[in-house]
Amino acid sequence: EAQVTQNPRYLITVTGKKLTVTCSQNMNHEYMSWYRQDPGLGLRQIYYSMNVEVTDKGDVPEGYKVSRKEKRNFPLILESPSPNQTSLYFCASSPHGGKTEAFFGQGTRLTVV
Amino acid sequence: QQQVKQSPQSLIVQKGGISIINCAYENTAFDYFPWYQQFPGKGPALLIAIRPDVSEKKEGRFTISFNKSAKQFSLHIMDSQPGDSATYFCAASTLSGTYKYIFGTGTRLKVLA
Repeated sequence: EAQVTQNPRYLITVTGKKLTVTCSQNMNHEYMSWYRQDPGLGLRQIYYSMNVEVTDKGDVPEGYKVSRKEKRNFPLILESPSPNQTSLYFCASSPHGGKTEAFFGQGTRLTVV
Repeated sequence: QQQVKQSPQSLIVQKGGISIINCAYENTAFDYFPWYQQFPGKGPALLIAIRPDVSEKKEGRFTISFNKSAKQFSLHIMDSQPGDSATYFCAASTLSGTYKYIFGTGTRLKVLA
């Protein structure tokens, strides 16, 4: 089954404790991206990757890191999480970025206390 | 210029009624306009999309109307059903360049039985 898999689905952590949210897709898509969803603000892009070893900032990259060492994986790293990073996070993949349909994961609800 | 403005923020419709969600954009370089549907606890999924060379696209009970001169597009859900209750996001992107989506802020639709 074609899918984008995120883990974990739920995470509660403390301020400053490094964490990684994993994302994997099995559709051989070139383009992957991370979004955060906040009430009243919609979906805002954090980082995107157009291919292996090619990443770039989205609209709200501060406090986040990503890497793309393999085509299928695109982890999101929070080196020192803060409460304002409490949000619902989505990973998405598509064959060619904004040209085509984006496939979203199930989401990761992160709470930073 | 990169924003997509979506309204209303929430919408309550009786079963069998018409749901209408509107979006407006500024950037004339946008040339792909998808709508995504998100159920609680799930990631967004593509519902329907339109390119600016047509003024309307219909798929079942869902229709996108596109007004290029006004830089507006809207989603119409005919014969709305309780199963349509979800959050709807409009988006815009360009078919060249950075290939990223710009999402609207979302509309939470509730269809009463």
